[in-house]
Amino acid sequence: QSALTQPASVSGSPGQSITISCTGTRSDVGSYNLVSWYQQHPGKAPKLMIYEGFKRPSGVSNRFSGSKSGNTASLTISGLQSEDEGDYYCCSYAGTSTLVFGRGTKLTVL
Amino acid sequence: QVQLVQSGSELKKPGASVKVSCKASGYIFTNYAMHWVRQAPGQGLEWMGWINTNTGSPTYAQGFTGRSVFSLDTSVSTAYLQISSLKADDTAVYYCARDRAILTFAFDSWGQGTQVSVSS
Repeated sequence: QSALTQPASVSGSPGQSITISCTGTRSDVGSYNLVSWYQQHPGKAPKLMIYEGFKRPSGVSNRFSGSKSGNTASLTISGLQSEDEGDYYCCSYAGTSTLVFGRGTKLTVL
Repeated sequence: QVQLVQSGSELKKPGASVKVSCKASGYIFTNYAMHWVRQAPGQGLEWMGWINTNTGSPTYAQGFTGRSVFSLDTSVSTAYLQISSLKADDTAVYYCARDRAILTFAFDSWGQGTQVSVSS
């Protein structure tokens, strides 16, 4: 499968909201409600932020929300904080027990 | 608490093999699938595949069949990733990651990563 398409970078000021898109195809994002989002800080392991499209694991701030429309999933972060800065990856189920990641988006908090 | 602890960094020559371990604790190992994810230097995350920790059945992503092998030792709650015939572009950090529940394909716990470097 081809990697999901994400913007290379997004930025926002503290307190603002930003949205990161994740575009796939009818074979992955468009067919399953199994999109997850991960935050990664430099030199660290990724952290699960959203699963099954919009569900938040225990302990993840409600400033993080997920949604999907057609073949595109989105992660919205509201009330941006400096600690939100990092890389974000989407990941989708792609059928036959396989997954595909997005190429990643670097979030800069100005 | 759930914890995945991976083996340490490896420096290998081209053509050699490497075996990375991922020891789980804090939960029933066979109740949760284990995935492997690669991250090359400065690059994004790449899903390598997963192993059913109950049956031992592996599923490999395209591009990781042939030289990559997932295995288990359930007696010590440990998953393994072996890569043979190493090449320079296998240089990466390799993560194990636990699937949070059956068929959710979301990773709620990650190992700390194992750096594998391949150089002559």
